[in-house]
Amino acid sequence: DTGVSQDPRHKITKRGQNVTFRCDPISEHNRLYWYRQTLGQGPEFLTYFQNEAQLEKSRLLSDRFSAERPKGSFSTLEIQRTEQGDSAMYLCASSLDGAYNEQFFGPGTRLTVL
Amino acid sequence: GQQVMQIPQYQHVQEGEDFTTYCNSSTTLSNIQWYKQRPGGHPVFLIQLVKSGEVKKQKRLTFQFGEAKKNSSLHITATQTTDVGTYFCAGTGGYQKVTFGTGTKLQVIP
Repeated sequence: DTGVSQDPRHKITKRGQNVTFRCDPISEHNRLYWYRQTLGQGPEFLTYFQNEAQLEKSRLLSDRFSAERPKGSFSTLEIQRTEQGDSAMYLCASSLDGAYNEQFFGPGTRLTVL
Repeated sequence: GQQVMQIPQYQHVQEGEDFTTYCNSSTTLSNIQWYKQRPGGHPVFLIQLVKSGEVKKQKRLTFQFGEAKKNSSLHITATQTTDVGTYFCAGTGGYQKVTFGTGTKLQVIP
């Protein structure tokens, strides 16, 4: 257990539905990252927060994806109008600020879109 | 955009043999990290390299960052079955965006 928690751990939804995932980082970490990982691939960067500010968002991310970190603590990732291609493991990671930024990953949320 | 490639994609070794994975970035990196992911698990941080030409050791693992800060390697001496997993490098470029490599899956045959 790294101290980063994600909820839910598994989500099965029908195509076209909206889903929301939550990530609770390690409390003193001000950086929070979202990644997507499919089988046999490395984690793909989605977005990154420094406190409550979303500083970077992947150009691969369509407008159906949105992320928030309203108080600089927990974060949510919403996918609207899900598609079968969205099926993946969604990973959250947090780290301290500064040059040394070891990322601690949560267990992930596995999304299956039927 | 920033791309990070790793070779080989897969490696099967006999227990006791050495193993090396190589990581190459399309752009200069501010730092590089290495992670290990066991089957069904999440990535676990191993080390971070920051300086050009830096070499760090952790027991049987040796990590190196290239002089141009565009490539890196991980070498494991005398592999053990506990080394099984996928090894990812992750390069940090501009705006703290982290790009993970394609990974090298290591299988150790007892």
